Amino acid sequence: DVVMTQSPLSLPVTLGQPASISCRSSQSLVYSDGNTYLNWFQQRPGQSPRRLIYKVSNRDSGVPDRFSGSGSGTDFTLKISRVEAEDLGVYYCMQGTYWPYTFGQGTKLEIK
Amino acid sequence: EVQLVESGGGLVQPGGSLRLSCAASGFTVSSNYMSWVRQAPGKGLEWVSVVYSGGTTYYADSVKGRFTISRDNSKNTLYLQMDSLRAEDTAVYYCSRDSSYWGQGTLVTVSS
Repeated sequence: DVVMTQSPLSLPVTLGQPASISCRSSQSLVYSDGNTYLNWFQQRPGQSPRRLIYKVSNRDSGVPDRFSGSGSGTDFTLKISRVEAEDLGVYYCMQGTYWPYTFGQGTKLEIK
Repeated sequence: EVQLVESGGGLVQPGGSLRLSCAASGFTVSSNYMSWVRQAPGKGLEWVSVVYSGGTTYYADSVKGRFTISRDNSKNTLYLQMDSLRAEDTAVYYCSRDSSYWGQGTLVTVSS
């Protein structure tokens, strides 16, 4: 199985400041069709996961533009330009290139 | 509007069975890839099973041979038949449409 490793696992942030989460896969996530199926999810306390980013850098509908995704191959990053209170929660990267699809361990974004 | 509503969770003894349902509206289940993802209490996300529009199915090794994913096109509903349940299957089970839409989840507790 493809192992997804996130860092850090805990990210204390100051509101209004930027934040960055790293995700590394144990093998390249480039699929045979040329696409890289790396997604980012947000899970607020008590809520279902919500997809923020698909195929590395595409924001889902309704996702604020302060969220951005980047990366290639095995190294990926989710950035929040200015953290707001509603951004607190756990963030997961997930690969959809190989079955079984796998998630990272999750990064808990919390107020410093 | 896309909606996914899971049901069927509950308390079951080890070795028992449950069938989860995911009633979909706003789209056609058979035209999309549909998944079940679970989250054990206080833990991360685990992809359990997927069924593609063409009917191909995949299962995580942890549930292979015990769980069966299916869909009823006439009811526009996705199912997860869970047999030979174990304590480690205790989790909130989410239904998802191509990882972009998620239900609210249904809790399955396996305990004597």
